[in-house]
Amino acid sequence: KNQVEQSPQSLIILEGKNCTLQCNYTVSPFSNLRWYKQDTGRGPVSLTIMTFSENTKSNGRYTATLDADTKQSSLHITASQLSDSASYICVVRGGDKLIFGTGTRLQVFP
Amino acid sequence: DTGVSQNPRHKITKRGQNVTFRCDPISEHNRLYWYRQTLGQGPEFLTYFQNEAQLEKSRLLSDRFSAERPKGSFSTLEIQRTEQGDSAMYLCASSLSDQPQHFGDGTRLSIL
Repeated sequence: KNQVEQSPQSLIILEGKNCTLQCNYTVSPFSNLRWYKQDTGRGPVSLTIMTFSENTKSNGRYTATLDADTKQSSLHITASQLSDSASYICVVRGGDKLIFGTGTRLQVFP
Repeated sequence: DTGVSQNPRHKITKRGQNVTFRCDPISEHNRLYWYRQTLGQGPEFLTYFQNEAQLEKSRLLSDRFSAERPKGSFSTLEIQRTEQGDSAMYLCASSLSDQPQHFGDGTRLSIL
C-alpha cells in the first residue's frame, strides 16, 4: 500500500533554533518527493521538489534531503522564525498520483 | 494576483442543503484538482480534470458530489444533501501537465 508517514506529529521550538522533520514513504513507482508548507487556513505552498537522483535541495533556510534507498526524506529548518509556524507536509508522487503525509505541525515561540 | 482562487472562503450551511464551490486556476494550467482536508490530516484526492475532461475520481467522491470544468477553465464542486461528515476544507490546485501543483487557499465548509 502506498503510504507516507511523517514524524513528529507536532513540534514546539524556540525562535532561532534549528529543527528537522522526517518523512518515510512506501510509494511505488517513485517519481518525486515534495515538501509543502501550509499556514493555518491557507493552501499548501511548495518548498522543494526532489527526484530520485537528487540527495539535497535548499530553499533559503529550508534544506530537504532524500535517501531513495531507505525511502526517507528530511526537512531541516535553520534559525527558525515565528513565521515558520505552520504544518509541513511531505508529498510523494507515485506514477500519476500524489500521496500526502498527514504533516508535522511546527510551532515556533519567541 | 495570478494564483489559484477559490470562492467562497468559508461556507456555513445546514445539513441537507446543497452547496457549490468555485475554483479559478492559474490561466495557462491545463490540469485542475480537487482535494478534501480535515483537521490534522493531509489533503485527500477527490478528482482531477485535464482541460474539460474529468479523468479520475476517487472513491471518496460519493454520488452526492459532482465536479465540472465546462470550458476547461474554472471548475465547480457541488455537494448535494450535505452531511455532518462533509465538514472539511476543500482545496483546489492547478498545474501545467506534470509540473508541481499550485494550491488555492481552500473553501472551509461547516455543516450545522
